[in-house]
Amino acid sequence: GAVVSQHPSWVICKSGTSVKIECRSLDFQATTMFWYRQFPKQSLMLMATSNEGSKATYEQGVEKDKFLINHASLTLSTLTVTSAHPEDSSFYICSARAGLAITGELFFGEGSRLTVL
Amino acid sequence: AQKITQTQPGMFVQEKEAVTLDCTYDTSDPSYGLFWYKQPSSGEMIFLIYQGSYDQQNATEGRYSLNFQKARKSANLVISASQLGDSAMYFCAMREGPAAGNKLTFGGGTRVLVKP
Repeated sequence: GAVVSQHPSWVICKSGTSVKIECRSLDFQATTMFWYRQFPKQSLMLMATSNEGSKATYEQGVEKDKFLINHASLTLSTLTVTSAHPEDSSFYICSARAGLAITGELFFGEGSRLTVL
Repeated sequence: AQKITQTQPGMFVQEKEAVTLDCTYDTSDPSYGLFWYKQPSSGEMIFLIYQGSYDQQNATEGRYSLNFQKARKSANLVISASQLGDSAMYFCAMREGPAAGNKLTFGGGTRVLVKP
């Protein structure tokens, strides 16, 4: 099946630094990628929808300047947490869609666990 | 209003028994898809089963079946013959059509612990 890879899986950084998380579709082209955030023992909350070649669409309450999303190619989207603070510590998961249909062609990355000290 | 509701925060199930995980949804979009995912402690999201709003029959995938009751807007997951490896978080999700951005919205999840 299709594979979506996220890197890094784990990252620990100091408060005030920026962290970039990559999401790659390895064997298909993803016109749309989604970024989710998951706090411990909670559900996945959609942060933004990333479309190749255009600006990301952010969900209400998500700071665009805080969470920079770039979808420069059909196989790569990046999420940069700028000036990270401890409250940004979370599990970030991306997903990618291979087609436009509503059916189950949505694949998830392995997730990236961010800890901000 | 919650679009996807999972009313069971957690449940125990005896190994080899069946378990039903509840999921209700809310949408006015005639075209939508319902998904179930499993999330083990490692964090990865594992796709289990899909049901389209226009599908006439309930979806089945091995030990997983989806009890789709469209009029009641419910999409319960049934896991038959539970195994120890089924212990995980289970999320119900819904994708609405283009008007809603084709986004996938998740329920709060149900933690399942299979007892030997």
